[in-house]
Amino acid sequence: SQKIEQNSEALNIQEGKTATLTCNYTNYSPAYLQWYRQDPGRGPVFLLLIRENEKEKRKERLKVTFDTTLKQSLFHITASQPADSATYLCALYSGAGSYQLTFGKGTKLSVIP
Amino acid sequence: NAGVTQTPKFRVLKTGQSMTLLCAQDMNHEYMYWYRQDPGMGLRLIHYSVGEGTTAKGEVPDGYNVSRLKKQNFLLGLESAAPSQTSVYFCASSSKTGPFYNEQFFGPGTRLTVL
Repeated sequence: SQKIEQNSEALNIQEGKTATLTCNYTNYSPAYLQWYRQDPGRGPVFLLLIRENEKEKRKERLKVTFDTTLKQSLFHITASQPADSATYLCALYSGAGSYQLTFGKGTKLSVIP
Repeated sequence: NAGVTQTPKFRVLKTGQSMTLLCAQDMNHEYMYWYRQDPGMGLRLIHYSVGEGTTAKGEVPDGYNVSRLKKQNFLLGLESAAPSQTSVYFCASSSKTGPFYNEQFFGPGTRLTVL
């Protein structure tokens, strides 16, 4: 069966360090992978999309990598700030032409001042 | 633009009662979705719609019905609420074209408790 796993439920890091979150998947052949941010009591907000033919994507302090051989995406936040504290979700579509986006359970990031 | 709005924000029901959650979007999106989010389970797709008048089942459709009579609205109904339907419900929408193909825009959520 298809599965998306985010490596840890919670991650604590010191302010200024780089946070690295992992998303692994099995039995998918995704054309692209998405990352979302969710703050407590709010809906998820789209951050980045990376396509299968892109090794890396950057947006300000965010960087996403996508390794279709390892079936893994890494999400990095450099120079982390307390305001980056949130839950981060990765998401994949079930297959070609699918409308169903499947989410990982998320990693709760806490950036400690 | 308001984006995606959901009504109501909170609701408490008794077992067996019915209710309808309303989702509205003003972005002219073709696709709309209903998810539920439970602790330890993540976001799970209940039903979705790829256009006005069409709906389809997602991962956890049992106990729910939906309707999309207008492009901008997507309704989620619970005919006979059960405690297992206590959850936070999110509506989302997306366009089938654009620079972020299938980026989904989420509403603020409805927190439902069934006693």
